Amino acid sequence: EAQVTQNPRYLITVTGKKLTVTCSQNMNHEYMSWYRQDPGLGLRQIYYSMNVEVTDKGDVPEGYKVSRKEKRNFPLILESPSPNQTSLYFCASSLQRGGSYEQYFGPGTRLTVT
Amino acid sequence: GQQVMQIPQYQHVQEGEDFTTYCNSSTTLSNIQWYKQRPGGHPVFLIQLVKSGEVKKQKRLTFQFGEAKKNSSLHITATQTTDVGTYFCPYPDLGYSTLTFGKGTMLLVSP
Repeated sequence: EAQVTQNPRYLITVTGKKLTVTCSQNMNHEYMSWYRQDPGLGLRQIYYSMNVEVTDKGDVPEGYKVSRKEKRNFPLILESPSPNQTSLYFCASSLQRGGSYEQYFGPGTRLTVT
Repeated sequence: GQQVMQIPQYQHVQEGEDFTTYCNSSTTLSNIQWYKQRPGGHPVFLIQLVKSGEVKKQKRLTFQFGEAKKNSSLHITATQTTDVGTYFCPYPDLGYSTLTFGKGTMLLVSP
């Protein structure tokens, strides 16, 4: 089954404790992206990747890192999480350029930073 | 830069009523997509509109792209409780690299 998976689905952590949210897709998509969703603010893009070893900042990249060493994986790293990073995070992928093709979303990761 | 406003932000209807959400841009768009996110779920692609004046239908859903490619709408005929969710109309940046989603329209349908 074609899908985007994220782990963990739920995470409660403390300020400053490094964490990684994994994202994997099995559709051989070139493009992958991370979004965060907050009440009243909609979906905002954090980082995206057009292909392996190619990443770029989205609208809200501060406090986040990403890497794209393999085509299927696009982990999101919070090196020193803060409470303002409490949010619902979505990973997405598309065949090629994110602005031209349908994006497939993962189930989401709900992160709480205390 | 490009900016698309989606209205309304929220609408509550009775089951059986029609519903429309609008996306209006200050600049010409190359294309526009529509997604639906059910409560507790993730966004799911509905359709992409590319051509000026394009109209596409999916059962009770009708999608339109304006003649000037500056606006788009999603119309739902005779809403059902299964239509509940947030509808987004993301649009691409000039290089087609990314989609900007915005806040969407939250639809609530009462039985």
